[in-house]
Amino acid sequence: DVKVTQSSRYLVKRTGEKVFLECVQDMDHENMFWYRQDPGLGLRLIYFSYDVKMKEKGDIPEGYSVSREKKERFSLILESASTNQTSMYLCASSSPGQAYGYTFGSGTRLTVV
Amino acid sequence: GENVEQHPSTLSVQEGDSAVIKCTYSDSASNYFPWYKQELGKGPQLIIDIRSNVGEKKDQRIAVTLNKTAKHFSLHITETQPEDSAVYFCAASFRGFNAGGSEKLVFGKGTKLTVNP
Repeated sequence: DVKVTQSSRYLVKRTGEKVFLECVQDMDHENMFWYRQDPGLGLRLIYFSYDVKMKEKGDIPEGYSVSREKKERFSLILESASTNQTSMYLCASSSPGQAYGYTFGSGTRLTVV
Repeated sequence: GENVEQHPSTLSVQEGDSAVIKCTYSDSASNYFPWYKQELGKGPQLIIDIRSNVGEKKDQRIAVTLNKTAKHFSLHITETQPEDSAVYFCAASFRGFNAGGSEKLVFGKGTKLTVNP
């Protein structure tokens, strides 16, 4: 069964900490995405990557960075976590050149205290 | 700009009734329209999709219709069951976020569907 795996389901971090959210896919997909999900705001794109070492800003990149050193792994980094980054974070992947649906991970619920 | 509007934000129906969720999109070049279901504690899962060369698609109790002229599409669930309770997201494709022309999806804000037994 093909999968997008997010390393943590729940995380609690302190304000100012550096936080790493990891995502791994086993479908050999070129495209990977990070979204955050908040009530009433839907899914908002933070960053995406269409190739190894390539990254593009999404709609809300402020306060975040990403790393894609290997095709299967896409990491989201909160350089200095703040309480307004408390949210559900979803990773997704897709094949390029095709308008096929994304495959999502199960999400990481991050709480910053 | 790239925008997808989804209505209603919440929907409550009785078991056995039908449910309809509607979305509009901004870019006439969009040609792919998936629907996702997100159950509590899980990531969104693709349940049905439609491409711009088709007006309607059905899969058992679920159907999606597309009106390209009006730039709107809808999800129809018939004979609803309690297990249909979830958050549903529509999305539309927007082209060309990299040199290969890969498409990205823009999502609606979601509809929380509750099916009452």
